[in-house]
Amino acid sequence: SQQGEEDPQALSIQEGENATMNCSYKTSINNLQWYRQNSGRGLVHLILIRSNEREKHSGRLRVTLDTSKKSSSLLITASRAADTASYFCATADYYGGSQGNLIFGKGTKLSVKP
Amino acid sequence: NAGVTQTPKFQVLKTGQSMTLQCAQDMNHEYMSWYRQDPGMGLRLIHYSVGAGITDQGEVPNGYNVSRSTTEDFPLRLLSAAPSQTSVYFCASSYVRSGEMQYFGPGTRLTVT
Repeated sequence: SQQGEEDPQALSIQEGENATMNCSYKTSINNLQWYRQNSGRGLVHLILIRSNEREKHSGRLRVTLDTSKKSSSLLITASRAADTASYFCATADYYGGSQGNLIFGKGTKLSVKP
Repeated sequence: NAGVTQTPKFQVLKTGQSMTLQCAQDMNHEYMSWYRQDPGMGLRLIHYSVGAGITDQGEVPNGYNVSRSTTEDFPLRLLSAAPSQTSVYFCASSYVRSGEMQYFGPGTRLTVT
């Protein structure tokens, strides 16, 4: 069962521009995480935001969480060609039907053109 | 640390064959899991383990077996491969529980003909 849904499915921008990806989810959560996957590789954890946090920063990444709207956004500022990858949100509900396991969305494919 | 390692990287099986996908981690993580990734489907949880000797089913467990005899290793067994099991398989681990940051292996690309 898919919990998170990323939007848009695909995004193409020029180097130096900002990229914004959104994630919506359905049930209550304890935290929401964002992962990056380069083509043909495993997923790499980017950032985790807990349900009592509204915003978090890590380098060029900014994540927001709105639990009232059940949504999150990932902003990558000053994008680089190396940011080209798929980005996934994943939610954790420690006491829900998923036994606390992460549930992943289908991902946003970001292409950054030099 | 090598992190999470998976072998093999690629595998082609015929329908009905069996095989084991290997996963190992050297971070002393209690929690380990297996996901499959299909085009347009994101990652789906197959099986997981919260510690040595303890395993449980995820969202799509049918056709797969797991065991966890040590903290380090978590092999995934395909009992009788079917074309529907063609996918990319990822192993992941985390220190305590699934809901925290996961470390992923590089994946095994499996084709069943």
